[in-house]
Amino acid sequence: KAGVTQTPRYLIKTRGQQVTLSCSPISGHRSVSWYQQTPGQGLQFLFEYFSETQRNKGNFPGRFSGRQFSNSRSEMNVSTLELGDSALYLCASSLRLAATRSSYNEQFFGPGTRLTVL
Amino acid sequence: KNQVEQSPQSLIILEGKNCTLQCNYTVSPFSNLRWYKQDTGRGPVSLTIMTFSENTKSNGRYTATLDADTKQSSLHITASQLSDSASYICVVSERSGGYNKLIFGAGTRLAVHP
Repeated sequence: KAGVTQTPRYLIKTRGQQVTLSCSPISGHRSVSWYQQTPGQGLQFLFEYFSETQRNKGNFPGRFSGRQFSNSRSEMNVSTLELGDSALYLCASSLRLAATRSSYNEQFFGPGTRLTVL
Repeated sequence: KNQVEQSPQSLIILEGKNCTLQCNYTVSPFSNLRWYKQDTGRGPVSLTIMTFSENTKSNGRYTATLDADTKQSSLHITASQLSDSASYICVVSERSGGYNKLIFGAGTRLAVHP
């Protein structure tokens, strides 16, 4: 069974540009969550999509948005890039909502997309 | 405020030695606690998931403990190997309305030296 895949793996952009990252979950998984990871802040939750609907959202500005398609694949978009957006962006998939009451609903993470903003 | 704090921030041990990583949380109401291992440049991989009623759970050389009364968890690594060098992240699930919310610790960076 293939794991979570993310594309591209590395990306270099300049300030003011926009970027779209892609995540393909494990087959059969319906939930996709996005995280930003920086050395200083650790893992920060961005948002979670389930059945094409955003179900949960972290404390990030509106420049960060996402969507999920009918095949559960998800994209994340960041507009008007800032230097501080440089980070590893991780995607995780699970069968149900990530933090569902079922304690064994495990999240599987992808390898991440390393975004550098110059 | 619900928080997850991990200690130490970083740790260096010699190959073959044991070590214990700590996770203290103030999350309430509590649902479950997870430990992840993250190798440099890669996504986190789940090691254990424990509910309120579980005190200990093992995964090979990794043993996690949970004391729900004191809101503390530990991850014990036995007979460390060079491949154990990674960041270890503690994640606590908070029951919040119709679904739970995941709260991440900042992680402990472990370096195993030969």
